[in-house]
Amino acid sequence: DSGVTQTPKHLITATGQRVTLRCSPRSGDLSVYWYQQSLDQGLQFLIQYYNGEERAKGNILERFSAQQFPDLHSELNLSSLELGDSALYFCASSVGQESSPLHFGNGTRLTVT
Amino acid sequence: EDQVTQSPEALRLQEGESSSLNCSYTVSGLRGLFWYRQDPGKGPEFLFTLYSAGEEKEKERLKATLTKKESFLHITAPKPEDSATYLCAVQAPSNDYKLSFGAGTTVTVRA
Repeated sequence: DSGVTQTPKHLITATGQRVTLRCSPRSGDLSVYWYQQSLDQGLQFLIQYYNGEERAKGNILERFSAQQFPDLHSELNLSSLELGDSALYFCASSVGQESSPLHFGNGTRLTVT
Repeated sequence: EDQVTQSPEALRLQEGESSSLNCSYTVSGLRGLFWYRQDPGKGPEFLFTLYSAGEEKEKERLKATLTKKESFLHITAPKPEDSATYLCAVQAPSNDYKLSFGAGTTVTVRA
């Protein structure tokens, strides 16, 4: 058990809809990362927050947004969903930013129909 | 942009048959190279961090090594429970310290 909690585990929704994925980092970790994993793309970095502030952005679509709250949990919002957004979405946390290993949750499997 | 290439894509081993996985990387100012294990439907599980060329880390049947261009993950006398996808990732200031992952090597160990 990595200590990172993601909810829900599974999400099935229709195209055009909006969903929110939630992540609670390990106790004491200040950084939260979101990754997308699909069969043909591997693990793709989306966005990172450190102690409530956005620190790095990857290939995150404009339809996607995230935030980290004062209690350090994070939410990833996906809107105007398309079939191609179906994937596993992972949250990871680390103590700091540099040279710290990331500890991953077990992901949310999103299926868009 | 960081580039991480893992080979082979898939590896089928007999129980007890040792082998190595390769991770080649191109990055400016490497801060760390990370190895993860991922089981189907689960999140990646952290195994090792290597920081400088020549460094080695071991954990049970796994040993990771690092040179200036690549890293190897050696699996000694594997067991069926070692079956998983092994991912490597690099971290550097040139890429905001995010982890850039390779596509992984899927290892299957037959009893």
